[in-house]
Amino acid sequence: GAVVSQHPSWVICKSGTSVKIECRSLDFQATTMFWYRQFPKQSLMLMATSNEGSKATYEQGVEKDKFLINHASLTLSTLTVTSAHPEDSSFYICSAPTWGFQETQYFGPGTRLLVL
Amino acid sequence: SQQGEEDPQALSIQEGENATMNCSYKTSINNLQWYRQNSGRGLVHLILIRSNEREKHSGRLRVTLDTSKKSSSLLITASRAADTASYFCATDERSSNTGKLIFGQGTTLQVKP
Repeated sequence: GAVVSQHPSWVICKSGTSVKIECRSLDFQATTMFWYRQFPKQSLMLMATSNEGSKATYEQGVEKDKFLINHASLTLSTLTVTSAHPEDSSFYICSAPTWGFQETQYFGPGTRLLVL
Repeated sequence: SQQGEEDPQALSIQEGENATMNCSYKTSINNLQWYRQNSGRGLVHLILIRSNEREKHSGRLRVTLDTSKKSSSLLITASRAADTASYFCATDERSSNTGKLIFGQGTTLQVKP
């Protein structure tokens, strides 16, 4: 089946630094990818829709200047958490649909971010 | 914002028993999907049911969808210890047609050996 990878799988950083997370579709092209955040023992919350070749669409309440998204190619989307703070510590997961929005989406394994 | 609600929030059963989880949603949908998440891991897609379908089977999984009640259920039969995980339903809004998924709060299932 389709595979989506994320890198890194976990990262620890100091408060105030920026962290970049990559999401790659390994065997298919994805013009759209989605970024989710999951706090411990909670569900996934959609943060933004990453669109290849155009600006990302952010959900209400998500700061676009803090969570920078770049969808530079049909197989890569990056999420940069700028000036990270401890409250940004979370599990970040990306997903990509394969055959259009009527079908399933494939999720990456997630990136655990811990901001000290 | 999250639109899905799932119950129960937590379920503990013995191996071999059946587990039933329910999900409710608020808007018209194209399809509803169920995912499994093992602790600290990514999501694994289990099954997708379209809005014009009422029931679907996949191995030990049985999913029903009632669009009039805006609800779905996931039944896992003959549960195994390996089924221990969190289970989430996810819907896409027909009106937006963007493909983005709205997840339910999830049900944490523990299957005791």
